[in-house]
Amino acid sequence: LAKTTQPISMDSYEGQEVNITCSHNNIATNDYITWYQQFPSQGPRFIIQGYKTKVTNEVASLFIPADRKSSTLSLPRVSLSDTAVYYCLVDPPRRAGNMLTFGGGTRLMVKP
Amino acid sequence: DGGITQSPKYLFRKEGQNVTLSCEQNLNHDAMYWYRQDPGQGLRLIYYSQIVNDFQKGDIAEGYSVSREKKESFPLTVTSAQKNPTAFYLCASSTTRGISGNTIYFGEGSWLTVV
Repeated sequence: LAKTTQPISMDSYEGQEVNITCSHNNIATNDYITWYQQFPSQGPRFIIQGYKTKVTNEVASLFIPADRKSSTLSLPRVSLSDTAVYYCLVDPPRRAGNMLTFGGGTRLMVKP
Repeated sequence: DGGITQSPKYLFRKEGQNVTLSCEQNLNHDAMYWYRQDPGQGLRLIYYSQIVNDFQKGDIAEGYSVSREKKESFPLTVTSAQKNPTAFYLCASSTTRGISGNTIYFGEGSWLTVV
């Protein structure tokens, strides 16, 4: 499975747009990119998933360049409640039960 | 409601004691996972199972054991061989959605403390 690299931490202020980039240089042709959010003492939860170009949902956007060696999670106008750890995961589809390994994630701190 | 239920939420273990963490899902998912998380750290995979009666070791399986006798259940036993078991334990399940990627669903976690 593709190894991922993310910044350890980021700081932002309320109302700003936050972009978190994940590097996955050895991503395979069939791999999808998924981002998760984790609050303290809770399990991570799904934010967004994509394969190429751009995906947008009600909470975030995911930008994936043509070479797919990185991806950027974009959180528009963050609030204090967006303070959390964000993980990116790369794995192939149609094979649930892969050895899904999470990296260290990015700890986002949103300040007032 | 559909989801993953972990119990207990908090558990205390004495030295030399085995304890079992329960994980039940009603999402009809084939795959299930156990992760360990130490304070301020990321998730580390302990064991995972793709189907009933089958499971594989993850990155840190030593001192842990699992079983998968039913599709809905994937209990984790922390044995006395695990010398530093104090951590947050997360159970998860996943399914493939056809042409798109997997999505992992997590339980609320269990805190295990050695006393």
